[in-house]
Amino acid sequence: DAGITQSPRHKVTETGTPVTLRCHQTENHRYMYWYRQDPGHGLRLIHYSYGVKDTDKGEVSDGYSVSRSKTEDFLLTLESATSSQTSVYFCAISETLGQGNDEQYFGPGTRLTVT
Amino acid sequence: GDSVTQMEGPVTLSEEAFLTINCTYTATGYPSLFWYVQYPGEGLQLLLKATKADDKGSNKGFEATYRKETTSFHLEKGSVQVSDSAVYFCALCSGSVDYKLSFGAGTTVTVRA
Repeated sequence: DAGITQSPRHKVTETGTPVTLRCHQTENHRYMYWYRQDPGHGLRLIHYSYGVKDTDKGEVSDGYSVSRSKTEDFLLTLESATSSQTSVYFCAISETLGQGNDEQYFGPGTRLTVT
Repeated sequence: GDSVTQMEGPVTLSEEAFLTINCTYTATGYPSLFWYVQYPGEGLQLLLKATKADDKGSNKGFEATYRKETTSFHLEKGSVQVSDSAVYFCALCSGSVDYKLSFGAGTTVTVRA
């Protein structure tokens, strides 16, 4: 299994509070991703990173920010959590892109509930 | 933009039954295609992939063939087991410019003994 951990694994928070989720990898992969998983939507990309301090938005980035100060860590922050951000969040990593090497490896997920 | 459509579930089967999950896609260029599986309480794992037309991906008794003419990548298994109960996601990645995986909504499969 790829060395990907996410913390916390479960979190309950109140509307309006800031929340930070952490993804840590030991594979030294260049690319890292944050997805959210919701029933009927599959996985949707929130933000991704293609290197230290290099990040870009995915399809559902509103209300989220990310940071990557080290290769191994990718942080997802909800500045002011809302009930619509209740979801399961997955981190993923990949080593290379293109030429058939687009495989991503996923972490175990973080279940976030915003009350 | 890129998109993936897969058959809606849930799907309930008996052990040793034949499983097919349909997946069609819309993409520019020549995407790589994937099936991921998510077992209860876990993250997603790559099940199989195909990177060009007519390629067949296979793993753990599952197979899928990349059909460019029908833009499809249907997943099949000839004889399912209870341990195959999971959510299955079809996904594509359309090349080196767009880094993103586009996922289908997922199909929940339950296999009964």
